[in-house]
Amino acid sequence: NAGVTQTPKFRVLKTGQSMTLLCAQDMNHEYMYWYRQDPGMGLRLIHYSVGEGTTAKGEVPDGYNVSRLKKQNFLLGLESAAPSQTSVYFCASGEAMEQYFGPGTRLTVT
Amino acid sequence: EDKVVQSPLSLVVHEGDTVTLNCSYEVTNFRSLLWYKQEKKAPTFLFMLTSSGIEKKSGRLSSILDKKELFSILNITATQTGDSAVYLCAVYQGAQKLVFGQGTRLTINP
Repeated sequence: NAGVTQTPKFRVLKTGQSMTLLCAQDMNHEYMYWYRQDPGMGLRLIHYSVGEGTTAKGEVPDGYNVSRLKKQNFLLGLESAAPSQTSVYFCASGEAMEQYFGPGTRLTVT
Repeated sequence: EDKVVQSPLSLVVHEGDTVTLNCSYEVTNFRSLLWYKQEKKAPTFLFMLTSSGIEKKSGRLSSILDKKELFSILNITATQTGDSAVYLCAVYQGAQKLVFGQGTRLTINP
């Protein structure tokens, strides 16, 4: 039982490049979430999903897109990366009040 | 604007000391308050509090919520070096929305 896994662990992008972060969970949770964590600002919700085929915007959705084609996977895409998207990205799954987090992806945009 | 504020932002103590971490909140819709511990990577769930005045306890950690004064405290007694981490407070507002505080970085020196 791996819980919540994220790939990749680290990535460096140049401004304007695109990439996809993958989150996978093996706990059969309906709900999945993407957060970003910046120094001094805590965790902020980017997008979330309440089930396969559904997505919704969180607090800071601009510049990101998501897809939930399979229940166990939640993808976060950056179409045209910007330096302001340099952050640590966490995926989580579970019920809203009890979320289980993945190990994070550290993304640097130069 | 919904906000969750933690204090202090950073705390350094000696092993064996007792510490109290604070979390105050101003949100439009309160359902519950959660505490997480974040060591090197993923936040891990500690407590969920929904009712005022009822202490939640797990070993040397305990937490209590005051819904009238809009705050919660997390106590750690007889601290150990393994307690060194960032402690995150979050308020669940419903509709999949968790609002996080900035975190308190706790360092326990031997």
